Amino acid sequence: QVQLQESGPGLVKPSGTLSLTCAVSGGSITSNNWWTWVRQPPGKGLEWIGEIFHSGSTNYNPSLKSRVTISVDKSNNQFSLNLTSVTAADTAIYYCARDFQRFDPWGQGTLVIVSS
Amino acid sequence: EVVLTQSPATLSLSPGERAILSCRASQSVSNYLAWYQQKPGQAPRLLIYDASSRSTGIPARFSGSGSGTDFTLTISSLEPEDIAVYYCHQRGSWPLTFGGGTKVEI
Repeated sequence: QVQLQESGPGLVKPSGTLSLTCAVSGGSITSNNWWTWVRQPPGKGLEWIGEIFHSGSTNYNPSLKSRVTISVDKSNNQFSLNLTSVTAADTAIYYCARDFQRFDPWGQGTLVIVSS
Repeated sequence: EVVLTQSPATLSLSPGERAILSCRASQSVSNYLAWYQQKPGQAPRLLIYDASSRSTGIPARFSGSGSGTDFTLTISSLEPEDIAVYYCHQRGSWPLTFGGGTKVEI
């Protein structure tokens, strides 16, 4: 079955760029699904960041749109998240998930702390 | 943006009791409503999609209902392993949004 695994730096400096990758296994990223990013500040609720189709089409949350780029790497069966100009408010667990009209499955999540 | 309001914030029940969780949308999302369970230290897990369809492997004690703006997740007989935070999520309108969650305690 499809499994997802997030990876990337756990610490990013303020004003820097947060970059994460989600590796997809057990299935192809070119299947008829979207691929999504969701984040969760420590002790708080879930926030949808955005999603991508393997063609490169994207949808972003307007609250983050000016700072977010999601891209797909078909050759490595993975997709990525870039978030620029980060502040402490971007400290969160970042999850990737498959989106086929619902988010399933999810990766285990990766904690990113924004701090100098 | 569709705002999802979940109630109650916390639900304290005993094993075997019925749990009823509510999710109200600020505008109609048709039946494009899902429920996720999140246990401490874990990623969310899909329970219900399209308001009432149970995801693969989810026990029958979990059921969803509703359409439009009012939705309910029911756990018919609470088990100790059901201790978690439950989130509703709508995909009827952009941007996709989540409710604030209901914490179920036993």
